[in-house]
Amino acid sequence: GENVEQHPSTLSVQEGDSAVIKCTYSDSASNYFPWYKQELGKRPQLIIDIRSNVGEKKDQRIAVTLNKTAKHFSLHITETQPEDSAVYFCAALGRALTFGSGTRLQVQP
Amino acid sequence: GAGVSQSPRYKVAKRGQDVALRCDPISGHVSLFWYQQALGQGPEFLTYFQNEAQLDKSGLPSDRFFAERPEGSVSTLKIQRTQQEDSAVYLCASSLAGGADGYTFGSGTRLTVV
Repeated sequence: GENVEQHPSTLSVQEGDSAVIKCTYSDSASNYFPWYKQELGKRPQLIIDIRSNVGEKKDQRIAVTLNKTAKHFSLHITETQPEDSAVYFCAALGRALTFGSGTRLQVQP
Repeated sequence: GAGVSQSPRYKVAKRGQDVALRCDPISGHVSLFWYQQALGQGPEFLTYFQNEAQLDKSGLPSDRFFAERPEGSVSTLKIQRTQQEDSAVYLCASSLAGGADGYTFGSGTRLTVV
């Protein structure tokens, strides 16, 4: 089955800096890669996703890149704000979504 | 409904007790997924339904776990003879078709086995 590795597990940045989270996946048949943000005690919320027919997608301060050959994808957050502090999960879709282990992002004001 | 609804929000069970967790997906969503999320971990896949058919139950950790969706809408995850290692948040998600349109998660049920 699919295996998704995510790193770093924790990331601390200063407000206004950029944050990058990286994931790799194992199943070359996977073709959909969403990113979720989860605040403490709340449900995961979809923030951006990318399909295998594109290499990059951007939505305001958030962008995702995909390299299908290398089987890795990354989340980029620019101009970070304290409200970006949360746990972020990447995922890859095979039969169902397989999630990474999460990155705890702390944005220091 | 407007979102995925799960109940109860919190459940405390004594070890050995049976529990039933309910998920009410978004109306019209064909696909329904159950995940288990331990503290500090990512969601782990349990099982997947398309309408009333359970297409994948490979993630269920033991035969104490059972899920159903008899009419292709509401789903119930049942755990028999609960054990302490079952303590986790159980998340339900639904999707219009197959998941490639994105999942919408419910708020989850936090199960604590004492």
